[in-house]
Amino acid sequence: DAGVIQSPRHEVTEMGQEVTLRCKPISGHNSLFWYRQTMMRGLELLIYFNNNVPIDDSGMPEDRFSAKMPNASFSTLKIQPSEPRDSAVYFCASSLKGNSPLHFGNGTRLTVT
Amino acid sequence: DAKTTQPTSMDCAEGRAANLPCNHSTISGNEYVYWYRQIHSQGPQYIIHGLKNNETNEMASLIITEDRKSSTLILPHATLRDTAVYYCIVRVADSSYKLIFGSGTRLLVRP
Repeated sequence: DAGVIQSPRHEVTEMGQEVTLRCKPISGHNSLFWYRQTMMRGLELLIYFNNNVPIDDSGMPEDRFSAKMPNASFSTLKIQPSEPRDSAVYFCASSLKGNSPLHFGNGTRLTVT
Repeated sequence: DAKTTQPTSMDCAEGRAANLPCNHSTISGNEYVYWYRQIHSQGPQYIIHGLKNNETNEMASLIITEDRKSSTLILPHATLRDTAVYYCIVRVADSSYKLIFGSGTRLLVRP
């Protein structure tokens, strides 16, 4: 079991550029979550999917953020255009069902200059 | 979901038990108590969860008071690698799937 795989591990980009973060959940898991972590705000839930369908995106900060899950083994989080305040570590997590534990990836550290 | 209260930081000596408290006085009957930890530069890691009975696994023990208003995570023999931020979370086990993290307790294990 390779765990949740995120790419890239680090991303540095200039303000105004489009950024795409990628996530491969654990095979067989049917729930996927995107979190953002900053020193000021801690871990924030951005969006979660169940069976590839977005269930709650109330944590997505602005329309510049969008997330997709085209199939059970892949999800993307896109920021367009990016801004310096988007700099954070973005985590993807997956779980099997219900009250099953979440398994997190090692995150993507995004720096927007 | 019920709010939790944890100390900001704690420390313990290597080899000794680490007891991390959590208050959740407004917990509902159908809410579980979850514990996760986050080691520096890594994603959060699941430790243990329970509803009302005490639970134990290879990582830790979870003691939940009879009234369920508080709980304690016990690391029986803390090592330096247990230095991390520990999060106590309560959540209803329904289709909402949400897991909301608070500020956690920063545990420092001293050599």
